[in-house]
Amino acid sequence: DQQVKQNSPSLSVQEGRISILNCDYTNSMFDYFLWYKKYPAEGPTFLISISSIKDKNEDGRFTVFLNKSAKHLSLHIVPSQPGDSAVYFCAARRSLAGSYQLTFGKGTKLSVIP
Amino acid sequence: DAMVIQNPRYQVTQFGKPVTLSCSQTLNHNVMYWYQQKSSQAPKLLFHYYDKDFNNEADTPDNFQSRRPNTSFCFLDIRSPGLGDAAMYLCATSKLAGEDTQYFGPGTRLTVL
Repeated sequence: DQQVKQNSPSLSVQEGRISILNCDYTNSMFDYFLWYKKYPAEGPTFLISISSIKDKNEDGRFTVFLNKSAKHLSLHIVPSQPGDSAVYFCAARRSLAGSYQLTFGKGTKLSVIP
Repeated sequence: DAMVIQNPRYQVTQFGKPVTLSCSQTLNHNVMYWYQQKSSQAPKLLFHYYDKDFNNEADTPDNFQSRRPNTSFCFLDIRSPGLGDAAMYLCATSKLAGEDTQYFGPGTRLTVL
């Protein structure tokens, strides 16, 4: 049973435009959400995160939005650059004593076309 | 540069032949994790160490074991690999238990013949 879902396996965007990557979750106990970026032949690298007490977090070209009532978050990249082409994983953490597990989605492959 | 290193990057083993994957870190982090990622799937946590304390996920098969002889190194042992164990194995670290930012190595791709 997938608790974190990224329903779009792939996304193509023109350079300079906005990229929007979506993520849905089912477990209302998740209290912290992260986005990781993965290039081929490399491990995932942390990109940006958001706590469940916030609805927006911004870091340069990257903004994450959280809609708790809809159990939905999205990553916006503006403007998109060819170097942003990668697989993006959404991950969620459940706050439970002794629980350090991140639950990942399957990833969305973003292609930014020059 | 401080980093998480995984060796080898590619590992081929035979069905049923034990194999060990290696992870080392120069970050001096307390926590080390092993994930399994099959093609087009989400990374799935197998187990993690907080210092020397081992924490196994409930659905991790007994075929998978881990050792952490010191802070820097952590090993994943697959006692009798099956064809279904072919996957990318990712090692990650975090400074503190519960800290959300995990730092990943490049992974080891395991092929089982």
